[in-house]
Amino acid sequence: SQKIEQNSEALNIQEGKTATLTCNYTNYSPAYLQWYRQDPGRGPVFLLLIRENEKEKRKERLKVTFDTTLKQSLFHITASQPADSATYLCASWNGGYQKVTFGTGTKLQVIP
Amino acid sequence: EAQVTQNPRYLITVTGKKLTVTCSQNMNHEYMSWYRQDPGLGLRQIYYSMNVEVTDKGDVPEGYKVSRKEKRNFPLILESPSPNQTSLYFCASRTGGGSGELFFGEGSRLTVL
Repeated sequence: SQKIEQNSEALNIQEGKTATLTCNYTNYSPAYLQWYRQDPGRGPVFLLLIRENEKEKRKERLKVTFDTTLKQSLFHITASQPADSATYLCASWNGGYQKVTFGTGTKLQVIP
Repeated sequence: EAQVTQNPRYLITVTGKKLTVTCSQNMNHEYMSWYRQDPGLGLRQIYYSMNVEVTDKGDVPEGYKVSRKEKRNFPLILESPSPNQTSLYFCASRTGGGSGELFFGEGSRLTVL
C-alpha cells in the first residue's frame, strides 16, 4: 500500500534561516503531492501542490520540490519567522482521487 | 464565508452510548471525508463520499458509519463507542476534481470513557 513518511518529528530553527522539511513516499508514484499547515487544535490548511512533472513550485516564502528519482518532496520556508511555527503535513491521493494518505507531520519551531 | 462546520467540538461520552458528529460544508463540494488524528499516527481516513448516496471505506472504518443524504452534510456515527475511538476527528471536503485541495473543519475532540 502507498506510504508517506516525514522522517523528522520535530525541527527547531533560528528565525531568519531556511527551514527544510522532507517527505518520502514508497510503493507508488503519486501524480502530485500536497503540503498542509496545521496549528495546535486546528484543522490542516492547504499550502501548496506540486505535480510529478514539476521540479519546483513557489509561493511567497514557500518552495516545494519534487524528485521522482529519490521519491521525495522537500518543503522550504525561507526567512523563517516565529509565526511559521506549526506542524507541516505532506499528503497524496491515490490514482482515483478517492483516498488520501497523510504523513505524520513535522513540527517546526522557529526560535526568535 | 467558505467553511466546513463540525459539531460538537468537544465531547466526553461513555462506552456504548451512540453518538453522531455532524459535518456541514457550504462550498457545494461533491467530495467529503472523515479523518481521525492520533499522536504518532497522523491523520487517517475513516470514510469518504464522492457524492450524495455514494460512500466508501477509508483506511480505518471499523466502528464507524456514515451517510450522505444531502450534498452539504456528512455525519459520522459511532454506534457503540469504545475507548480506542478516543481521538481528534476532522471532516473535510473538496471539489470533485482538480488538485484535490481539502478544506478541513475545526475538529471534534472525542473522549470515550
